[in-house]
Amino acid sequence: DTAVSQTPKYLVTQMGNDKSIKCEQNLGHDTMYWYKQDSKKFLKIMFSYNNKELIINETVPNRFSPKSPDKAHLNLHINSLELGDSAVYFCASSQDGEGRNQPQHFGDGTRLSIL
Amino acid sequence: GDSVTQMEGPVTLSEEAFLTINCTYTATGYPSLFWYVQYPGEGLQLLLKATKADDKGSNKGFEATYRKETTSFHLEKGSVQVSDSAVYFCALRPGGGNKLTFGTGTQLKVEL
Repeated sequence: DTAVSQTPKYLVTQMGNDKSIKCEQNLGHDTMYWYKQDSKKFLKIMFSYNNKELIINETVPNRFSPKSPDKAHLNLHINSLELGDSAVYFCASSQDGEGRNQPQHFGDGTRLSIL
Repeated sequence: GDSVTQMEGPVTLSEEAFLTINCTYTATGYPSLFWYVQYPGEGLQLLLKATKADDKGSNKGFEATYRKETTSFHLEKGSVQVSDSAVYFCALRPGGGNKLTFGTGTQLKVEL
């Protein structure tokens, strides 16, 4: 199936741990994103990569580090997890280019819970 | 900066009722506008979009018209179903940019 896929779907871990969330898209898109959705459903962009190059970096703690090994993958590594990091993290992708009105396609989300 | 304002929810309707979810935006230039839907436990799915003034996006019985004079993109559906229960997000993407700015989301509950 063509899609944006994230793993894991659920992640429960202790405060202070380091964890990674993986994202892959097979849509041939050249731009990928990470969003954070809080408990009130508010969505906010964290990062965006275009062809492995960081193009958007919102005000996010340095504990969050995205890594894009190729344009089909954008992983999110989080160091020293804190209670406030509990949220749903969504990966998305889109095709950039001259027609910059292309919609973003979202993964199903990773539900991160910090104990 | 860019911003999107949606009506607060939850909105509770009976099946077959008419739906309107208001969305207004603030942006420079000519943004593209989107409605996304998030069903329980799932990710966001694009519902419809409009890329220029007076464009009407439509899908699955939902419609929204890009009104530049009122900076609005209200979502409407003539007859809602229980299966439409979800959270609806209005979003804009600036002309020449990648960043999507979302509204706070409006939860819709449709009851029999």
